[in-house]
Amino acid sequence: SQTIHQWPATLVQPVGSPLSLECTVEGTSNPNLYWYRQAAGRGLQLLFYSVGIGQISSEVPQNLSASRPQDRQFILSSKKLLLSDSGFYLCAWSVLRVSGYTFGSGTRLTVV
Amino acid sequence: EDKVVQSPLSLVVHEGDTVTLNCSYEVTNFRSLLWYKQEKKAPTFLFMLTSSGIEKKSGRLSSILDKKELFSILNITATQTGDSAVYLCAVSNSGGSNYKLTFGKGTLLTVNP
Repeated sequence: SQTIHQWPATLVQPVGSPLSLECTVEGTSNPNLYWYRQAAGRGLQLLFYSVGIGQISSEVPQNLSASRPQDRQFILSSKKLLLSDSGFYLCAWSVLRVSGYTFGSGTRLTVV
Repeated sequence: EDKVVQSPLSLVVHEGDTVTLNCSYEVTNFRSLLWYKQEKKAPTFLFMLTSSGIEKKSGRLSSILDKKELFSILNITATQTGDSAVYLCAVSNSGGSNYKLTFGKGTLLTVNP
């Protein structure tokens, strides 16, 4: 069966520090992968998506970047965090359009 | 730009009540509309709707889509405290291979005993 792993679950980082969030998928090949951010417990904003290794599309200009070094690995990064980067970050994957997304358990990031 | 609007933003009911959550959308080349339930962490999938007028049902939850009027409703009958959550509506378009979902801001449902 397919599973998605996302870590860490919570993170408190100072302003100006770097960030690396990792997401891996098991039990499937060539998934579409996504990073979403959810602020104040509502509404998911799509940050990045990837349809294959090395293929990254950015939805909104921001202080973050994403990479996909392997088929089932998706990484969200920042060189210098801002206070406004705080939020709940969710990784998701999809294979078939008829099945929607499957979400990871999320990372709650607080930038202080 | 695709857009999803959910109403109400929040709702407080008592156990046993029936609730209706609303979702209206604007999307280029509509493919599907999805409902998710989010408690503490990751949203969990409830329904995917692609055709108008066909009700999807799972236990006390049901949903229907109106592609002419561009909206969907999610009904929950005989609510229980375990139904307390944020309910998210999302739409997808049929453009290319990227299969992106656009989410609404959600409806926060609180069911009191």
